[in-house]
Amino acid sequence: QQPVQSPQAVILREGEDAVINCSSSKALYSVHWYRQKHGEAPVFLMILLKGGEQKGHEKISASFNEKKQQSSLYLTASQLSYSGTYFCGISNAGGTSYGKLTFGQGTILTVHP
Amino acid sequence: SQTIHQWPATLVQPVGSPLSLECTVEGTSNPNLYWYRQAAGRGLQLLFYSVGIGQISSEVPQNLSASRPQDRQFILSSKKLLLSDSGFYLCAWARTVMDSPLHFGNGTRLTVT
Repeated sequence: QQPVQSPQAVILREGEDAVINCSSSKALYSVHWYRQKHGEAPVFLMILLKGGEQKGHEKISASFNEKKQQSSLYLTASQLSYSGTYFCGISNAGGTSYGKLTFGQGTILTVHP
Repeated sequence: SQTIHQWPATLVQPVGSPLSLECTVEGTSNPNLYWYRQAAGRGLQLLFYSVGIGQISSEVPQNLSASRPQDRQFILSSKKLLLSDSGFYLCAWARTVMDSPLHFGNGTRLTVT
């Protein structure tokens, strides 16, 4: 089942923060986050695994809440380069899932000067 | 380093015509390979994945087929295109270890007229 991302779109000024949520109706094994610029391929940001992990990548970090079956992506002090569509991809089973991810519908992030 | 090549970048085809999209990966061996489709403004839908030569799994019933004639080559085909086949097709690869990230090609924008 497709995870639900919220919000669907967000507009920021440079330097502002944003949070993007990804919720699953089933237990999560892992969550991947990707960013896609218009007309380009998605680019991998990070993976979070079952265990309530939090990861950071410069000013972009993410958390994994196993109980809530949810992951959140945090963008702090946003830059113009952060603009794009953010997707979460979830795996509900490890091991033999062969990397099959079910992606959310995406969150469009626009950062203005 | 690993690279993924996908072609053509854009394609306009009439309804009922055949289709062949090709994807090759360099710099790695025995990758997992995937075909995703992205409708305009939508998320990514997994169409096919392959864990080895000649091994293809289909995720959704459709008008398309996939083949993996060589370890690092993945082909998406159709005998007769439908209007609904229009979209952005993305090939991706991942290492055959659990929770490896997906690395996408630049995509093919297919318009069926």
